[in-house]
Amino acid sequence: GAVVSQHPSWVICKSGTSVKIECRSLDFQATTMFWYRQFPKQSLMLMATSNEGSKATYEQGVEKDKFLINHASLTLSTLTVTSAHPEDSSFYICSASWGRLFGQETQYFGPGTRLLVL
Amino acid sequence: DAKTTQPTSMDCAEGRAANLPCNHSTISGNEYVYWYRQIHSQGPQYIIHGLKNNETNEMASLIITEDRKSSTLILPHATLRDTAVYYCIVRVAGQSSYKLIFGSGTRLLVRP
Repeated sequence: GAVVSQHPSWVICKSGTSVKIECRSLDFQATTMFWYRQFPKQSLMLMATSNEGSKATYEQGVEKDKFLINHASLTLSTLTVTSAHPEDSSFYICSASWGRLFGQETQYFGPGTRLLVL
Repeated sequence: DAKTTQPTSMDCAEGRAANLPCNHSTISGNEYVYWYRQIHSQGPQYIIHGLKNNETNEMASLIITEDRKSSTLILPHATLRDTAVYYCIVRVAGQSSYKLIFGSGTRLLVRP
């Protein structure tokens, strides 16, 4: 149980284009989804937290107009990197959780999406 | 959330127990200790979490000291596939929207 998928697993795009990454909870309804970014040889950095049906909460320093997050359903959240540039190249990882009881609030992570902007 | 301190790297022999320590001296009474691991180029994998009692599941055991200022993750019979970065995180539980803050973790190398 508690499986999270991401699509695509990797993407290469030209500078200036927009890229959409999907995060799905496959066997549970995720009330909360999180988006992280990880640069080579660094730890995961939280970008934003999104609750189903409401606007995402972005971490300090993350541009909300550049990284658009939509959490329209309990099983799907999307991250759109708008006007991507080479410095946006990174490993993007989502996670999801669903409740308040012990174990339900645990975050389960997707496999990640590697983005390369040329 | 409280800060954690972990060794940068460790190694152990395949088949032996791997004991990964974590210090969290400023942990609050309502903060849980979570352990995740990240195998190269994959998303983090949840391992185990606990409040004050020792916990065991099919992957590992978590030993938390009585004062809760430190804990140890135990992989009882390490395999080569356990080579990964292990993250110890303290976090308030009870709400799915509470965030995890990842530190640098411990890079565990399991030797043949």
